[in-house]
Amino acid sequence: EPEVTQTPSHQVTQMGQEVILRCVPISNHLYFYWYRQILGQKVEFLVSFYNNEISEKSEIFDDQFSVERPDGSNFTLKIRSTKLEDSAMYFCASSPDRDSHSGNTIYFGEGSWLTVV
Amino acid sequence: GESVGLHLPTLSVQEGDNSIINCAYSNSASDYFIWYKQESGKGPQFIIDIRSNMDKRQGQRVTVLLNKTVKHLSLQIAATQPGDSAVYFCAENRPLQGAQKLVFGQGTRLTINP
Repeated sequence: EPEVTQTPSHQVTQMGQEVILRCVPISNHLYFYWYRQILGQKVEFLVSFYNNEISEKSEIFDDQFSVERPDGSNFTLKIRSTKLEDSAMYFCASSPDRDSHSGNTIYFGEGSWLTVV
Repeated sequence: GESVGLHLPTLSVQEGDNSIINCAYSNSASDYFIWYKQESGKGPQFIIDIRSNMDKRQGQRVTVLLNKTVKHLSLQIAATQPGDSAVYFCAENRPLQGAQKLVFGQGTRLTINP
C-alpha cells in the first residue's frame, strides 16, 4: 500500500540551528501538507502546498518556516532558526486530486520527532 | 478553550465490547470529517470518513455517525480488540480550493482491557 515516508524519524538540534525535515508523499498525490503535534497535544495544521506554491498557512507557520518541493518526489519543511518551542512531532501528509476516485482523504506519514535543546 | 493532551478524555472497554467515541466540531461550514487512530509514536492513521451530506457511514467494525444539527460526530467500534487501543482523533475539513485544512479535535484515549 502506498505510504507517505519521512526522514529523519528523530532529530536533536541545538537552539538556533537550521533543520530540514524531508518527506516523500504518495506518488500520484497533488496536495501536500505539514502538520505538527507537540507532545501530548492535538495535531495542528501548519501549511498546505499545491502546484509548487503554498495554498494556506497557519499562524504557527511564521517566517522561520519554509517549504519546498525541490524535485518530483520530495517535499521539505525547513525551520531556519529553531527555538525550544519548536520541539514537536512533525507530520507530512498528502492527498490526491479532490475529484479523483480516491476522494480527498489525507494520508499521514509516521512523523519526524524534533527535539530542540 | 483547548484541552491539553495530558488531560485527554479516556475510555476503557472490555475486549469484545462495543465502544463509542464522541466528538464535537465547531464549524458549520466544514464539509468532510475523518476519524484517525494514532498509536504511540506513530502518525495518524485513517479509519473512516464521512461527508456532510451523509448521516452515517459504515466500514469494517467501525461506524461513523454525523449529526449536523448539533455539530456532533461519533465513532462506533464493534467487537473491540486489543489492537484498537490508541488515541482517536476526529478531524473536520475546512473547505479550501482543492487542498485540505484539517482541524483536529483533542482526541480520546481508548484502552481495551483483556
